[in-house]
Amino acid sequence: DGGITQSPKYLFRKEGQNVTLSCEQNLNHDAMYWYRQDPGQGLRLIYYSQIVNDFQKGDIAEGYSVSREKKESFPLTVTSAQKNPTAFYLCASSPGLAPVGRDTQYFGPGTRLTVL
Amino acid sequence: GQQLNQSPQSMFIQEGEDVSMNCTSSSIFNTWLWYKQEPGEGPVLLIALYKAGELTSNGRLTAQFGITRKDSFLNISASIPSDVGIYFCAGTMDSNYQLIWGAGTKLIIKP
Repeated sequence: DGGITQSPKYLFRKEGQNVTLSCEQNLNHDAMYWYRQDPGQGLRLIYYSQIVNDFQKGDIAEGYSVSREKKESFPLTVTSAQKNPTAFYLCASSPGLAPVGRDTQYFGPGTRLTVL
Repeated sequence: GQQLNQSPQSMFIQEGEDVSMNCTSSSIFNTWLWYKQEPGEGPVLLIALYKAGELTSNGRLTAQFGITRKDSFLNISASIPSDVGIYFCAGTMDSNYQLIWGAGTKLIIKP
């Protein structure tokens, strides 16, 4: 089945530790995205990538890093510099960058990160 | 950053009732999208709108792209228990293709 997988579903880390969230897609999509979701708020864009080995900062990139070494994979690292990392993290992909028509974003099931 | 104002924040309705929610912006949008998110899952696209005045249905769901290009609404007719969840509007402006999200409308169906 084609889709987007995120692992793990729940993640607990101690304050001060870096943690990497996995996102894999087998949809052959060029563009991938990372969003953060907090209760009562809309999704906020952390990073996005249009093509392998290229990525751009979104609205809230501080304290996060990404890599795009393969088309299928777009891991997100939450570093110790992120002041309030506890949140629900969503990965998405689309055929291209524009979210219109066939370029609509498709989301993974999310990873809930809790920093203790 | 740019914001979309989505209302209401939450709705408590009886099964069978019709539901209406909307999104407004101070800026012109060229795309409006409506997503539904269930607990612990990622959002799923319900309806996409691309032209001012466009009215599109998906089963019991109907959404419209406002003629001013600054608003959109979503209606759900004859609600059923599986309609519960958070409904998000999202859109793009001419200046870039980054999706801008509303804060969501939480739909709760009273037993």
